[in-house]
Amino acid sequence: DSGVTQTPKHLITATGQRVTLRCSPRSGDLSVYWYQQSLDQGLQFLIQYYNGEERAKGNILERFSAQQFPDLHSELNLSSLELGDSALYFCASSSTWTSGKVEQFFGPGTRLTVL
Amino acid sequence: AQSVAQPEDQVNVAEGNPLTVKCTYSVSGNPYLFWYVQYPNRGLQFLLKYITGDNLVKGSYGFEAEFNKSQTSFHLKKPSALVSDSALYFCAVRDGQGGLTGGGNKLTFGTGTQLKVEL
Repeated sequence: DSGVTQTPKHLITATGQRVTLRCSPRSGDLSVYWYQQSLDQGLQFLIQYYNGEERAKGNILERFSAQQFPDLHSELNLSSLELGDSALYFCASSSTWTSGKVEQFFGPGTRLTVL
Repeated sequence: AQSVAQPEDQVNVAEGNPLTVKCTYSVSGNPYLFWYVQYPNRGLQFLLKYITGDNLVKGSYGFEAEFNKSQTSFHLKKPSALVSDSALYFCAVRDGQGGLTGGGNKLTFGTGTQLKVEL
């Protein structure tokens, strides 16, 4: 158990809908990351937050947005869902990313199925 | 832009034999390199990392990895494979110039190598 929690574990929804994925980082970790894992795209970085502020952006669609709250939990919002958004969405956290302890610890993921 | 290549989709090895899972990388500056393992329907588990120092890095579950700067490689190894090692292995790289003034701490992952250890 990495200490990173994600809810829900599974999500089934229809095209055009909006969903919210939730992540709680390990105790004490200030950085939260979101990744998408799909068969055709592999494991791709979406976005990073550090202590409430966005720090890095990857291949995140404009229909997707995220935020990190004062208690450090994070939410990933996916809107106007398309079939191609079906994937496993991972959250990860790390304690510091300036040096040393840079490894990220991953949650169990949320499997999103868009029908 | 940083990138990682895992040239083998699958590696098969007999239990008790040594295993190697290959990884090459491309990054500006000094790389931070990582190996993660993913079991079915599970998240990624951190195995080991290289930031600086000895080229041979030891990690969890008896795994180690050898950093080779001239060949830009970071191959994962284990002297004696177990059936329970069967899983999907990912190599990842972070640009060493990341951080407060750089590009954050984003990881770029390889496509993964399925390791199958058979009796």
